[in-house]
Amino acid sequence: DAGITQSPRHKVTETGTPVTLRCHQTENHRYMYWYRQDPGHGLRLIHYSYGVKDTDKGEVSDGYSVSRSKTEDFLLTLESATSSQTSVYFCAISKQGYGYTFGSGTRLTVV
Amino acid sequence: KNEVEQSPQNLTAQEGEFITINCSYSVGISALHWLQQHPGGGIVSLFMLSSGKKKHGRLIATINIQEKHSSLHITASHPRDSAVYICAVRSVNRDDKIIFGKGTRLHILP
Repeated sequence: DAGITQSPRHKVTETGTPVTLRCHQTENHRYMYWYRQDPGHGLRLIHYSYGVKDTDKGEVSDGYSVSRSKTEDFLLTLESATSSQTSVYFCAISKQGYGYTFGSGTRLTVV
Repeated sequence: KNEVEQSPQNLTAQEGEFITINCSYSVGISALHWLQQHPGGGIVSLFMLSSGKKKHGRLIATINIQEKHSSLHITASHPRDSAVYICAVRSVNRDDKIIFGKGTRLHILP
């Protein structure tokens, strides 16, 4: 989507390996979010950021860490991937009081 | 009980029919969003509402704050409207976080 890109779009990795997903925005929005989407659960918040170096946990943060060293980049790291982390991951950005813009998603498979 | 409930979960209709998708929530909110997700993944924001009604083309979204209920209507539905429609609320009770419904899968038959 315009203004927000996720990379990679698809990844297959082995159990126990570290994985980093990248979200990049060109909108200079303060808020950035990482969600995972699984059948039967809808979108669930993993971590979010409200500014450079300001991050907080969401409802399903175990096994994930994030970093935001620049306004435009929000990285999601799976320290040691497990099969339960097979999912579609979405990044989103927002400006307070306005709507959300979502990235195109990253389909991660942990084998 | 989920804080955001959508109904129906699945809906199949004929082209041209008037479609209504409902969303009820149980928390105090600052805004409600309707999102659309087509097969294959991308999520698009359709509306953000804090009161009243908004219209965009054939889509209409309404919200009743007192009843904690919102509806998304599609007039003259078309097969290209087939998608998952997601209701999400920005809660004032949970650090301004977004809470998502599980979505309504809409299939419009030609």
